[in-house]
Amino acid sequence: QKEVEQNSGPLSVPEGAIASLNCTYSDRGSQSFFWYRQYSGKSPELIMSIYSNGDKEDGRFTAQLNKASQYVSLLIRDSQPSDSATYLCAIQAGRGSTLGRLYFGRGTQLTVWP
Amino acid sequence: EAEVAQSPRYKITEKSQAVAFWCDPISGHATLYWYRQILGQGPELLVQFQDESVVDDSQLPKDRFSAERLKGVDSTLKIQPAELGDSAMYLCASSPRAGTGEDTQYFGPGTRLTVL
Repeated sequence: QKEVEQNSGPLSVPEGAIASLNCTYSDRGSQSFFWYRQYSGKSPELIMSIYSNGDKEDGRFTAQLNKASQYVSLLIRDSQPSDSATYLCAIQAGRGSTLGRLYFGRGTQLTVWP
Repeated sequence: EAEVAQSPRYKITEKSQAVAFWCDPISGHATLYWYRQILGQGPELLVQFQDESVVDDSQLPKDRFSAERLKGVDSTLKIQPAELGDSAMYLCASSPRAGTGEDTQYFGPGTRLTVL
């Protein structure tokens, strides 16, 4: 079983601050990493994907990956109240594998207060 | 923008009844996934299809759950009989084709099942 652990929430930050979400995983063979945002009662929405060590930036979002430490994170700059949601970390066993299942963490609930 | 379609959005049923969920993936997507998400947890895979073939159903409770994708396009997930513990969100996701690297998964709106 591939374990995915996310920092326990809930996380609460003021508007305009940086929110930092962390995730560790157990399977060293993991190749693909994803962050999904899930509003209450809705389905997961893809925010970021990252495959190589280092940082990947997309607008206010930055994903960071360190395969040696088996660690992936998501930074949200200039947090807005609309960012309030549960953020799910997901890993995929092997890029190129026909077994494409995602393994999810339990999620971290983020609240951005005005 | 192309989306994964699911129906119904909500389903309330009594235990021991049969329920069925439908999913239509993004056009051209060969890989289709059914996940189950219990409140407060992350989604967990039930079954994965590549075209019309089952690739992974290791977590599917086969005594009561069945899934099919007969023509390699839309898919149906069935539960018979439903049990109280089946209350959850059932999510369908699709990706262009697992195994090619183009396998980012996009989720449909989900079906919220409540078993009474």
